[in-house]
Amino acid sequence: AQRVTQPEKLLSVFKGAPVELKCNYSYSGSPELFWYVQYSRQRLQLLLRHISRESIKGFTADLNKGETSFHLKKPFAQEEDSAMYYCALSGQAGNNRKLIWGLGTSLAVNP
Amino acid sequence: KAGVTQTPRYLIKTRGQQVTLSCSPISGHRSVSWYQQTPGQGLQFLFEYFSETQRNKGNFPGRFSGRQFSNSRSEMNVSTLELGDSALYLCASSFGSLVRSSPLHFGNGTRLTVT
Repeated sequence: AQRVTQPEKLLSVFKGAPVELKCNYSYSGSPELFWYVQYSRQRLQLLLRHISRESIKGFTADLNKGETSFHLKKPFAQEEDSAMYYCALSGQAGNNRKLIWGLGTSLAVNP
Repeated sequence: KAGVTQTPRYLIKTRGQQVTLSCSPISGHRSVSWYQQTPGQGLQFLFEYFSETQRNKGNFPGRFSGRQFSNSRSEMNVSTLELGDSALYLCASSFGSLVRSSPLHFGNGTRLTVT
């Protein structure tokens, strides 16, 4: 079955510390993976996608097919990174709308 | 450019009633997707419409239906409401082309409470 697991409901770090939000997936085939973020009182928005291999707001994520993971990392967390982060998997090749979502990780960056 | 607009923001209904939610996508976007968000299940895909045609459907009962109009606006209908239908319903629009060029843009959602 296709599934996305984010093992941490809440992650709390201090400003300047490295942060890693974990995402593991179960999918037979070549997955398309995404990280979405929701800041307080804002809409859910795309943070990054693995095919772009880009760094957004200092965040990167590498798809590890061997470990079926797509962890989100940032070397130095900032207070403005505090938000809810969702990992999502495209459940249909070439379709980024039919997404399977993790339950999310709430990141709190403390001063 | 106006974002995705969902109306109403809040709804309270009783069991057995039906409800219609509305979504206006970003101008130029032809794909509209609907998601249900609950604390226990998280975000779950309901369905996607593109050019007035349903292209994909999630694993929800037939009580959940939708449609899309020629101007790309979409409505979602839930009939014979159950307590478990209480959720935040999110709409997202995109150009609807391949994944590489078409990220989802979400609305603020409609909070449905069934009593």
